[in-house]
Amino acid sequence: EDQVTQSPEALRLQEGESSSLNCSYTVSGLRGLFWYRQDPGKGPEFLFTLYSAGEEKEKERLKATLTKKESFLHITAPKPEDSATYLCAVQDGGGSYIPTFGRGTSLIVHP
Amino acid sequence: DGGITQSPKYLFRKEGQNVTLSCEQNLNHDAMYWYRQDPGQGLRLIYYSQIVNDFQKGDIAEGYSVSREKKESFPLTVTSAQKNPTAFYLCASSIFPWQPGTGALTTGEQFFGPGTRLTVL
Repeated sequence: EDQVTQSPEALRLQEGESSSLNCSYTVSGLRGLFWYRQDPGKGPEFLFTLYSAGEEKEKERLKATLTKKESFLHITAPKPEDSATYLCAVQDGGGSYIPTFGRGTSLIVHP
Repeated sequence: DGGITQSPKYLFRKEGQNVTLSCEQNLNHDAMYWYRQDPGQGLRLIYYSQIVNDFQKGDIAEGYSVSREKKESFPLTVTSAQKNPTAFYLCASSIFPWQPGTGALTTGEQFFGPGTRLTVL
């Protein structure tokens, strides 16, 4: 059974204070790892797909990286508008294409 | 603009009442999904559909029903059998990840609607 664990559950940063969110996963052959951003009371917004270890993707202040066991979402010089819950999900290489989601990391960036 | 719409944004249900949540997409996606989100928990899959007139139960299908009569639409009914329906409901869609011809499985990123918050009175 696929498992996804995100840490920390919550993170408070000062504006400009860079940090990383972690997504550890157990899967029988990774097909893809997805990152989403979710604002309160809204649906998740797709950010990135990572396919293989060593891959990196960037979008503004966010950079996602992938190893064989975990993914990191690095936030460089965050701003208050980066405050949101970040969700990680994995899709395995088997017959099921349904992703398994982690519980998310709630990020608050103080001005 | 392509996207997924859900309605209503807020819904209130009385005891013993069935309610239906709407989900429409114009992304030309074959696959559609319903998730339930509760505070402190991850997304839990209720039902999903790969093609019209076909759908499968997810992890928490009891007390819910769906239909898929059109590619664009995947409504969810919360029945009176669902004892704890208060939650945030999310609809999503994706391409069907099986590649035509080769049968190889590719990724199918899910795109989500804005959600419906259901409250039991």
